[in-house]
Amino acid sequence: QKEVEQDPGPLSVPEGAIVSLNCTYSNSAFQYFMWYRQYSRKGPELLMYTYSSGNKEDGRFTAQVDKSSKYISLFIRDSQPSDSATYLCAMSNSGGSNYKLTFGKGTLLTVNP
Amino acid sequence: EPEVTQTPSHQVTQMGQEVILRCVPISNHLYFYWYRQILGQKVEFLVSFYNNEISEKSEIFDDQFSVERPDGSNFTLKIRSTKLEDSAMYFCASSEPQRGTDTQYFGPGTRLTVL
Repeated sequence: QKEVEQDPGPLSVPEGAIVSLNCTYSNSAFQYFMWYRQYSRKGPELLMYTYSSGNKEDGRFTAQVDKSSKYISLFIRDSQPSDSATYLCAMSNSGGSNYKLTFGKGTLLTVNP
Repeated sequence: EPEVTQTPSHQVTQMGQEVILRCVPISNHLYFYWYRQILGQKVEFLVSFYNNEISEKSEIFDDQFSVERPDGSNFTLKIRSTKLEDSAMYFCASSEPQRGTDTQYFGPGTRLTVL
């Protein structure tokens, strides 16, 4: 079983739709959960950061973590064409002096005007 | 807003040649990382670096790879003898882990093409 699994899509939605992106993972040691946005041939841009289980909201974005199910989600409300990008989930263990991130493969999202 | 910068944006090299990829992390950050992304594949961890030494490295980071912080601002990745399969985007990242946080900020990447 892969450490982090993410449906690569592609996902195509109309402008204004609610988008749901998801990842599952197998490593129960993961404590920190992140969502990055990556435009074509650019570096990942940090969108949301969550520690342990729970919800976090930032503007149109909501991140959810369910550690009991090893499942994380990112919701985008009122999606815009500028949200079109690849969305990467990433996770890391707690403790120690290193925080290597383990990424999902990314979901390609297109928001159509 | 502070950002991670990387040079060059694109590097073309012949197989067997040495390359050095350069990064300037965010100035008050203490932890530095290199990741790579082969076209169409996931972003993969290569190495983390703190207090002038490697904290962790992946199985990809073999003896052909090395990292260095030659001065107070630059962080470099050297590949001694490039192979065709080293062709990828290489991303530098930095973070300043505080209690309960470890967010990493990525640079725009260097696209390495090995011919």
